[in-house]
Amino acid sequence: GAGVSQSPSNKVTEKGKDVELRCDPISGHTALYWYRQSLGQGLEFLIYFQGNSAPDKSGLPSDRFSAERTGGSVSTLTIQRTQQEDSAVYLCASSAQPADTQYFGPGTRLTVL
Amino acid sequence: GNSVTQMEGPVTLSEEAFLTINCTYTATGYPSLFWYVQYPGEGLQLLLKATKADDKGSNKGFEATYRKETTSFHLEKGSVQVSDSAVYFCAANDYKLSFGAGTTVTVRA
Repeated sequence: GAGVSQSPSNKVTEKGKDVELRCDPISGHTALYWYRQSLGQGLEFLIYFQGNSAPDKSGLPSDRFSAERTGGSVSTLTIQRTQQEDSAVYLCASSAQPADTQYFGPGTRLTVL
Repeated sequence: GNSVTQMEGPVTLSEEAFLTINCTYTATGYPSLFWYVQYPGEGLQLLLKATKADDKGSNKGFEATYRKETTSFHLEKGSVQVSDSAVYFCAANDYKLSFGAGTTVTVRA
């Protein structure tokens, strides 16, 4: 079946611009996660959605980052007023239930000039 | 939350050599443990997992055993191939994954 998909695969933006990254989880998966992979910080958790519960935003690095999940499926991660330190690969994952195996999408490589 | 420490790389091996990558974790409970692999130019893929103490995960010739007494989940493969060249990540899961820093493995023909 279809895996986790993300778009765009690459995004180049100028410092100060806003960007939106999209994630389509595996159909039927209730849990959705965003992570960030950067050279200096490795793989970091950003945010977690489970069903209709309030999201766990504990990993978001600043208030410029936000995410939403509409209809329990597609999620969008928004970064406002991008900074060069936001350059990274943003990974989305989903799992059937919390604490189940997470399956990752191919990522969006964000470059902030 | 959990934290994971894994062996620093890079690791360079010859084909058919034995590979081991050490991984230890700290956790308040008993998280599920995973090894993910990232091949060059590709995304993160699940390699193997173990959900409780003494469980052994295995896949593609790789094995790792969940050791509660030593809080470890070391990855091993008896005979590596060039195609095993990748970055390997150990992770602990208590709903969100805590990853180790990753170990880059290069296998030479």
